[in-house]
Amino acid sequence: DAGVIQSPRHEVTEMGQEVTLRCKPISGHDYLFWYRQTMMRGLELLIYFNNNVPIDDSGMPEDRFSAKMPNASFSTLKIQPSEPRDSAVYFCASSLLGNYGYTFGSGTRLTVV
Amino acid sequence: EDQVTQSPEALRLQEGESSSLNCSYTVSGLRGLFWYRQDPGKGPEFLFTLYSAGEEKEKERLKATLTKKESFLHITAPKPEDSATYLCAVGYNQAGTALIFGKGTTLSVSS
Repeated sequence: DAGVIQSPRHEVTEMGQEVTLRCKPISGHDYLFWYRQTMMRGLELLIYFNNNVPIDDSGMPEDRFSAKMPNASFSTLKIQPSEPRDSAVYFCASSLLGNYGYTFGSGTRLTVV
Repeated sequence: EDQVTQSPEALRLQEGESSSLNCSYTVSGLRGLFWYRQDPGKGPEFLFTLYSAGEEKEKERLKATLTKKESFLHITAPKPEDSATYLCAVGYNQAGTALIFGKGTTLSVSS
């Protein structure tokens, strides 16, 4: 298995632009998580899905953030409009029900200038 | 409020110098304590899960233990390749299978 695949690996964008981050979970995993990592706040849960349905989005910082999971093999996290304070590494992870041993992707490093 | 606190923030060891990392937590309903290793530029990699006080897990030079309020990651005779950030996380009832992570301990082992 290729693991959790995220794209792009790096994204540099100007303030106000729309940014879309992509994730392909491990086949057969029924949970998908989006986390954000910064030096100040560490890893923060943004949103998670179970069987493609959003379960908890209370970690999404603002209405500028949105996430979708149209099918079991693909999810997106969109920021519109982006701001410099959104600069961070965004991780996607997947897992099986009852197994908290998440498998993380390699992350997308987002820089908003 | 559910919290996970790790100490120290950074730890420098000489090769072969054993030590321990601490993870203390306050959650309303613990559903497991998890240790991850994160190398620079990569996502966290799962190491251990502990579910009940007194439980221990081992992997090579690492041993994780759990009490009712904290967990320790013991590193015996570390090698330079053990250098990484070690993250602790807890599963909690409110969100089901989601995890709260601590900020991590960055371990540097020099030869």
